[in-house]
Amino acid sequence: NAGVTQTPKFQVLKTGQSMTLQCAQDMNHNSMYWYRQDPGMGLRLIYYSASEGTTDKGEVPNGYNVSRLNKREFSLRLESAAPSQTSVYFCASSVGGETQETQYFGPGTRLLVL
Amino acid sequence: AQSVTQPDIHITVSEGASLELRCNYSYGATPYLFWYVQSPGQGLQLLLKYFSGDTLVQGIKGFEAEFKRSQSSFNLRKPSVHWSDAAEYFCAVGRSGGSYIPTFGRGTSLIVHP
Repeated sequence: NAGVTQTPKFQVLKTGQSMTLQCAQDMNHNSMYWYRQDPGMGLRLIYYSASEGTTDKGEVPNGYNVSRLNKREFSLRLESAAPSQTSVYFCASSVGGETQETQYFGPGTRLLVL
Repeated sequence: AQSVTQPDIHITVSEGASLELRCNYSYGATPYLFWYVQSPGQGLQLLLKYFSGDTLVQGIKGFEAEFKRSQSSFNLRKPSVHWSDAAEYFCAVGRSGGSYIPTFGRGTSLIVHP
């Protein structure tokens, strides 16, 4: 039981390049989330998927797109990377629904945009 | 809208000393409250959570937190800190019903002196 996995762990991009961050969970969770973490800012929600087939914007969605590929996988895409997107990105999952369940986090992807 | 304030950006304690990390929330109804810990280079791990019932909640690694509705607080405590407790601590507040989208505080960095 690996929990939440993320790939890659590190990435360096040049401005304007694109990339996709991958996230998968093996806990049969319904809800999945993408956060970014910046110093002094805590975690800010980029996008989330309450259930398979649905996605919604969070607090800071500009410059990102997401795909809920199936129940296990939730990817985050940067179409044209900008230095402001230099950050640590975390994927999380939870059982979902109306009960307030614990979120389980992946180890993060550290992204540097030059 | 719900919000979380962690007033202390950094806290420094000596090993063996007691610890209290502050968390204040703003939410109109009964909140669901969480404390997460993030070790350097790692994802977030749940320490404890409060949904209802006893307002003093026990968590992992010897941590506890007390929900005080009158003060809108959910402070995290530990009677004797170990060097391995040095990490970033995040308080989060969720809400009942509907999609579960928690709000995180900006975090408190705990430094432990030997």
